[in-house]
Amino acid sequence: QTVVTQEPSMTVSPGGTVTLTCASSTGAVTSGCSPNWFQQKPGQTPRPLVHSIHNKHSWTPARFSGSLLGGKAALTLSGVQPEDEAEYYCLLFCGGTWVFGGGTKLTVL
Amino acid sequence: QVQLLQSGAEVKKPGASVKVSCKVSGFTFTNYYLHWVRQAPGQGLEWMGAITLSDGGTAYTQSLQGRVTMTRDTSTDIFYMELTRLRSEDTAVYHCVRERGGGLFDYWGQGTLVTVSS
Repeated sequence: QTVVTQEPSMTVSPGGTVTLTCASSTGAVTSGCSPNWFQQKPGQTPRPLVHSIHNKHSWTPARFSGSLLGGKAALTLSGVQPEDEAEYYCLLFCGGTWVFGGGTKLTVL
Repeated sequence: QVQLLQSGAEVKKPGASVKVSCKVSGFTFTNYYLHWVRQAPGQGLEWMGAITLSDGGTAYTQSLQGRVTMTRDTSTDIFYMELTRLRSEDTAVYHCVRERGGGLFDYWGQGTLVTVSS
Protein backbone atom coordinates (compact mmCIF):
# COMPACT_ATOMS: atom_id res chain seq x y z
CA GLN A 1 0.00 0.00 0.00
CA THR A 2 1.35 3.39 -1.04
CA VAL A 3 2.20 5.79 1.79
CA VAL A 4 2.09 9.55 1.22
CA THR A 5 4.11 11.63 3.68
CA GLN A 6 3.70 15.27 4.67
CA GLU A 7 5.32 17.36 7.39
CA PRO A 8 3.11 16.95 10.49
CA SER A 9 3.34 20.62 11.39
CA MET A 10 4.92 23.87 10.29
CA THR A 11 4.94 27.40 11.66
CA VAL A 12 5.23 30.62 9.68
CA SER A 13 5.06 34.32 10.54
CA PRO A 14 2.45 36.55 8.97
CA GLY A 15 3.75 37.85 5.64
CA GLY A 16 6.28 35.08 5.40
CA THR A 17 6.69 32.23 2.94
CA VAL A 18 6.37 28.52 3.65
CA THR A 19 6.60 25.41 1.49
CA LEU A 20 4.75 22.23 2.36
CA THR A 21 5.82 19.00 0.70
CA CYS A 22 4.23 15.69 -0.21
CA ALA A 23 6.26 12.54 -0.86
CA SER A 24 5.25 9.12 -2.15
CA SER A 25 6.66 5.78 -1.01
CA THR A 26 6.57 4.67 -4.67
CA GLY A 27 9.34 7.10 -5.59
CA ALA A 28 9.52 10.55 -7.15
CA VAL A 29 6.24 12.39 -7.56
CA THR A 30 5.61 13.15 -11.23
CA SER A 31 2.83 14.68 -13.28
CA GLY A 32 1.34 11.19 -13.55
CA CYS A 33 0.62 11.33 -9.83
CA SER A 34 -1.81 14.21 -10.45
CA PRO A 35 -1.06 16.03 -7.18
CA ASN A 36 -3.97 17.83 -5.55
CA TRP A 37 -3.85 20.09 -2.49
CA PHE A 38 -6.68 20.84 -0.08
CA GLN A 39 -7.08 23.24 2.84
CA GLN A 40 -9.24 22.31 5.82
CA LYS A 41 -10.16 24.56 8.73
CA PRO A 42 -11.71 23.17 11.92
CA GLY A 43 -15.30 22.07 11.45
CA GLN A 44 -15.24 22.72 7.71
CA THR A 45 -15.25 20.62 4.58
CA PRO A 46 -11.88 20.49 2.79
CA ARG A 47 -11.46 23.17 0.15
CA PRO A 48 -9.57 22.32 -3.03
CA LEU A 49 -6.63 24.66 -3.73
CA VAL A 50 -4.46 23.18 -6.49
CA HIS A 51 -4.72 20.30 -8.97
CA SER A 52 -2.39 18.71 -11.52
CA ILE A 53 0.74 19.99 -9.75
CA HIS A 54 0.25 23.74 -10.16
CA ASN A 55 -3.22 24.54 -11.53
CA LYS A 56 -5.34 26.69 -9.25
CA HIS A 57 -9.10 26.73 -8.92
CA SER A 58 -10.96 29.95 -9.59
CA TRP A 59 -11.33 30.53 -5.85
CA THR A 60 -7.68 29.89 -4.94
CA PRO A 61 -5.84 33.00 -3.71
CA ALA A 62 -2.84 34.00 -5.81
CA ARG A 63 -0.48 33.53 -2.85
CA PHE A 64 -0.86 29.75 -3.14
CA SER A 65 1.25 27.95 -5.73
CA GLY A 66 1.96 24.30 -6.49
CA SER A 67 5.08 22.73 -7.95
CA LEU A 68 7.33 19.67 -8.01
CA LEU A 69 10.38 20.06 -5.79
CA GLY A 70 13.11 17.50 -5.25
CA GLY A 71 10.91 14.56 -6.24
CA LYS A 72 7.98 15.73 -4.13
CA ALA A 73 4.84 17.72 -4.74
CA ALA A 74 5.02 21.10 -3.05
CA LEU A 75 2.60 23.83 -2.01
CA THR A 76 4.10 27.26 -1.40
CA LEU A 77 2.31 30.05 0.42
CA SER A 78 3.82 33.48 -0.17
CA GLY A 79 2.78 36.44 1.96
CA VAL A 80 1.00 34.24 4.47
CA GLN A 81 -2.16 35.64 6.05
CA PRO A 82 -3.56 34.77 9.49
CA GLU A 83 -6.52 33.08 7.81
CA ASP A 84 -4.16 30.59 6.17
CA GLU A 85 -3.82 28.79 9.50
CA ALA A 86 -5.32 25.38 8.71
CA GLU A 87 -4.60 21.75 7.94
CA TYR A 88 -3.31 21.08 4.44
CA TYR A 89 -3.68 17.73 2.70
CA CYS A 90 -2.15 16.46 -0.50
CA LEU A 91 -3.64 13.70 -2.64
CA LEU A 92 -1.62 11.58 -5.07
CA PHE A 93 -2.26 8.88 -7.67
CA CYS A 94 1.30 7.53 -7.75
CA GLY A 95 0.72 3.84 -7.12
CA GLY A 96 -2.37 3.29 -9.25
CA THR A 97 -4.68 4.32 -6.45
CA TRP A 98 -5.48 7.62 -4.79
CA VAL A 99 -3.87 8.20 -1.40
CA PHE A 100 -4.03 11.20 0.93
CA GLY A 101 -1.08 12.43 2.89
CA GLY A 102 -1.43 12.64 6.65
CA GLY A 103 -1.81 16.41 6.54
CA THR A 104 0.31 19.36 7.64
CA LYS A 105 -0.96 21.58 10.41
CA LEU A 106 0.12 25.11 9.51
CA THR A 107 0.33 27.60 12.33
CA VAL A 108 0.61 31.32 11.59
CA LEU A 109 2.36 32.97 14.50
CA GLN B 1 -24.71 25.08 -10.44
CA VAL B 2 -22.88 21.96 -9.35
CA GLN B 3 -24.38 20.37 -6.23
CA LEU B 4 -23.49 17.26 -4.27
CA LEU B 5 -26.16 16.76 -1.63
CA GLN B 6 -25.64 14.00 0.89
CA SER B 7 -28.03 12.12 3.15
CA GLY B 8 -28.28 12.78 6.87
CA ALA B 9 -26.39 11.46 9.87
CA GLU B 10 -26.63 7.80 10.81
CA VAL B 11 -26.11 5.84 14.02
CA LYS B 12 -25.39 2.15 13.62
CA LYS B 13 -24.45 -0.78 15.82
CA PRO B 14 -21.27 -2.77 15.25
CA GLY B 15 -21.79 -5.40 12.58
CA ALA B 16 -24.53 -3.48 10.83
CA SER B 17 -24.39 -1.80 7.42
CA VAL B 18 -24.82 1.81 6.35
CA LYS B 19 -25.73 3.28 2.98
CA VAL B 20 -24.91 6.95 2.39
CA SER B 21 -26.30 8.76 -0.63
CA CYS B 22 -25.03 11.66 -2.72
CA LYS B 23 -27.38 13.38 -5.14
CA VAL B 24 -25.47 14.96 -7.96
CA SER B 25 -26.73 17.76 -10.20
CA GLY B 26 -25.67 20.73 -12.29
CA PHE B 27 -23.43 19.07 -14.87
CA THR B 28 -23.30 16.31 -17.48
CA PHE B 29 -21.60 13.09 -16.41
CA THR B 30 -19.18 12.45 -19.24
CA ASN B 31 -15.59 12.15 -18.01
CA TYR B 32 -16.41 12.61 -14.33
CA TYR B 33 -15.86 10.40 -11.32
CA LEU B 34 -17.38 10.46 -7.85
CA HIS B 35 -15.04 9.64 -5.01
CA TRP B 36 -15.83 8.82 -1.41
CA VAL B 37 -13.53 10.18 1.28
CA ARG B 38 -13.90 9.74 5.02
CA GLN B 39 -12.46 11.46 8.05
CA ALA B 40 -12.54 9.93 11.51
CA PRO B 41 -12.79 12.35 14.45
CA GLY B 42 -9.52 14.25 14.86
CA GLN B 43 -7.90 12.29 12.04
CA GLY B 44 -6.86 12.88 8.44
CA LEU B 45 -8.60 12.22 5.17
CA GLU B 46 -8.89 8.69 3.80
CA TRP B 47 -9.69 7.88 0.17
CA MET B 48 -12.20 5.03 0.04
CA GLY B 49 -12.88 4.55 -3.65
CA ALA B 50 -14.54 5.96 -6.72
CA ILE B 51 -17.26 5.34 -9.26
CA THR B 52 -17.37 6.47 -12.87
CA LEU B 53 -20.50 8.58 -13.27
CA SER B 54 -21.22 7.55 -16.83
CA ASP B 55 -20.84 3.76 -16.66
CA GLY B 56 -20.72 2.83 -12.97
CA GLY B 57 -17.22 1.35 -13.02
CA THR B 58 -15.66 1.23 -9.56
CA ALA B 59 -12.32 1.12 -7.78
CA TYR B 60 -11.85 0.69 -4.05
CA THR B 61 -9.01 1.09 -1.61
CA GLN B 62 -7.48 -2.23 -0.68
CA SER B 63 -8.20 -1.90 3.04
CA LEU B 64 -11.96 -1.71 2.45
CA GLN B 65 -12.23 -4.34 -0.31
CA GLY B 66 -15.08 -6.69 0.47
CA ARG B 67 -16.82 -4.24 2.80
CA VAL B 68 -17.49 -1.23 0.56
CA THR B 69 -19.73 -0.99 -2.48
CA MET B 70 -20.36 2.11 -4.58
CA THR B 71 -23.38 2.19 -6.85
CA ARG B 72 -25.51 4.58 -8.85
CA ASP B 73 -29.18 4.99 -9.61
CA THR B 74 -29.31 6.35 -13.14
CA SER B 75 -32.98 7.30 -12.87
CA THR B 76 -32.40 9.73 -10.01
CA ASP B 77 -28.69 10.65 -10.37
CA ILE B 78 -28.16 9.49 -6.80
CA PHE B 79 -24.94 7.72 -5.94
CA TYR B 80 -24.53 5.41 -2.97
CA MET B 81 -21.73 4.19 -0.76
CA GLU B 82 -22.53 1.14 1.33
CA LEU B 83 -20.20 -0.06 4.07
CA THR B 84 -20.90 -3.39 5.74
CA ARG B 85 -19.75 -5.15 8.94
CA LEU B 86 -19.32 -1.80 10.65
CA ARG B 87 -16.79 -1.37 13.45
CA SER B 88 -16.25 1.49 15.88
CA GLU B 89 -13.26 2.58 13.75
CA ASP B 90 -15.68 3.33 10.89
CA THR B 91 -17.09 6.25 12.87
CA ALA B 92 -16.34 9.19 10.60
CA VAL B 93 -17.68 11.93 8.38
CA TYR B 94 -18.14 10.55 4.87
CA HIS B 95 -17.88 12.88 1.85
CA CYS B 96 -18.61 12.44 -1.82
CA VAL B 97 -16.21 14.41 -4.03
CA ARG B 98 -16.35 15.14 -7.75
CA GLU B 99 -13.32 14.56 -9.95
CA ARG B 100 -13.12 15.75 -13.52
CA GLY B 101 -11.11 13.19 -15.48
CA GLY B 102 -7.39 13.87 -15.23
CA GLY B 103 -7.27 14.34 -11.49
CA LEU B 104 -9.12 17.59 -10.99
CA PHE B 105 -10.94 17.32 -7.66
CA ASP B 106 -13.29 20.22 -7.13
CA TYR B 107 -16.73 19.93 -5.49
CA TRP B 108 -17.36 18.20 -2.15
CA GLY B 109 -20.61 17.07 -0.58
CA GLN B 110 -21.39 18.52 2.83
CA GLY B 111 -20.51 15.29 4.61
CA THR B 112 -22.47 12.62 6.44
CA LEU B 113 -21.59 11.65 10.00
CA VAL B 114 -21.79 7.92 10.59
CA THR B 115 -21.49 6.87 14.21
CA VAL B 116 -20.90 3.21 15.06
CA SER B 117 -21.67 2.50 18.67
CA SER B 118 -23.22 -0.23 20.72
